[in-house]
Amino acid sequence: QVQLQESGPGLVKPSQTLSLTCTVSGGSISSGSFYWNWIRQPAGKGLEWIGRIYTSGSTNYNPSLKSRVAISVDTSKNQFSLKLSSVTAADTAVYFCARKGSGSLFDSWGQGTLVTVSS
Amino acid sequence: QSALTQPASVSGSPGQSITISCTGTSSDVGGYNYVSWHQQHPGKAPKLMLYDVNNRPSGVSNRFSGSKSGNTASLTISGLQAEDEADYYCSSYSSSSTWVFGGGTKLTVL
Repeated sequence: QVQLQESGPGLVKPSQTLSLTCTVSGGSISSGSFYWNWIRQPAGKGLEWIGRIYTSGSTNYNPSLKSRVAISVDTSKNQFSLKLSSVTAADTAVYFCARKGSGSLFDSWGQGTLVTVSS
Repeated sequence: QSALTQPASVSGSPGQSITISCTGTSSDVGGYNYVSWHQQHPGKAPKLMLYDVNNRPSGVSNRFSGSKSGNTASLTISGLQAEDEADYYCSSYSSSSTWVFGGGTKLTVL
């Protein structure tokens, strides 16, 4: 059973870059046909898909965030990462990483990590 | 890319059935059979309950079922139980290889 765990700073200053890492255990990030996703949830609000990276390294991003987002993968560490630049208070949220298999099979999620944007 | 539309809240008594709708457009829900539903309890990560409209992952109760008609997908929970009380989110594949979520529905078991 694959497990995902988010990690990174819990506090980021406005205008700076938010950086998070998702560590995958119980399976290789480069095996199988999986997409590795970042999803966020502001307090008391709904889920927002941020973007994804495929095993090959190809990426897709939410159009509303595309200019500020970069997702990368490090297969040697079995991790994938999120960078979100020029953050504002509106980027304060719980950030989840999740694995997606075929179709809409979002079958594994991390526990989530709270990132607060504040000076 | 707009969020899918879900009712803010639904409620039902134990043993009853409820249905949660998820309305999108022909560019997402209506265009693909890639709709999933997630259950989220407070402070927890979402849990996949249905994928590809009406498929249940291993371990999910058969009380959960899904359907789709046009641009609207639906989640039905039969035989409501207290443990079903949670937030439910739909999601759909959208054009340009992106995904979109619904705003979420709070299910209250009376």
